[in-house]
Amino acid sequence: DSGVTQTPKHLITATGQRVTLRCSPRSGDLSVYWYQQSLDQGLQFLIQYYNGEERAKGNILERFSAQQFPDLHSELNLSSLELGDSALYFCASSSKPLVNGEQFFGPGTRLTVL
Amino acid sequence: TQLLEQSPQFLSIQEGENLTVYCNSSSVFSSLQWYRQEPGEGPVLLVTVVTGGEVKKLKRLTFQFGDARKDSSLHITAAQPGDTGLYLCAEPNSGNQFYFGTGTSLTVIP
Repeated sequence: DSGVTQTPKHLITATGQRVTLRCSPRSGDLSVYWYQQSLDQGLQFLIQYYNGEERAKGNILERFSAQQFPDLHSELNLSSLELGDSALYFCASSSKPLVNGEQFFGPGTRLTVL
Repeated sequence: TQLLEQSPQFLSIQEGENLTVYCNSSSVFSSLQWYRQEPGEGPVLLVTVVTGGEVKKLKRLTFQFGDARKDSSLHITAAQPGDTGLYLCAEPNSGNQFYFGTGTSLTVIP
């Protein structure tokens, strides 16, 4: 158990819909990362937050947005969903926003878009 | 965008055999991390290498960082079924972004 929690574990929805994925980092970690893992694209970095502020942006679509709240939990919002958005979505946390630091990954949310 | 190619993509071996998987970059790594991901779980960090030519050992796992810092390898001695999983290399860059490799899926058959 990494100490990072993600809900829900599974999510099935239809194209065009909007969903919210939730992540609670390890106690004391200020930095949260979101990743998308699909069979054809592998594990792709989406976005990073540190203490409520956006720190880095990767290959995140404009239909996706995220935020980190004062209690440090984070939410990833996916809208106008397409079939290709079906994937595993991971959240990770670390104590610092610095590179080379260890990230602790949650168990993931499996999103299926029908 | 950093491109991390891993090989082989799939590997199936018998328990007790040795194996090596590779991670190659289109440019110089600033540093490199190796992760293992088991089915249904998130990746877990195994090691971070920083210096060209660096070798790190973790029990039966040996990690090597190329002298030119454009490649890395992971060698497993006497593989066990518990080593089964997806092995990912990753590079954090100066922009706090992380790029993950394409992965090597390892199956160790008892």
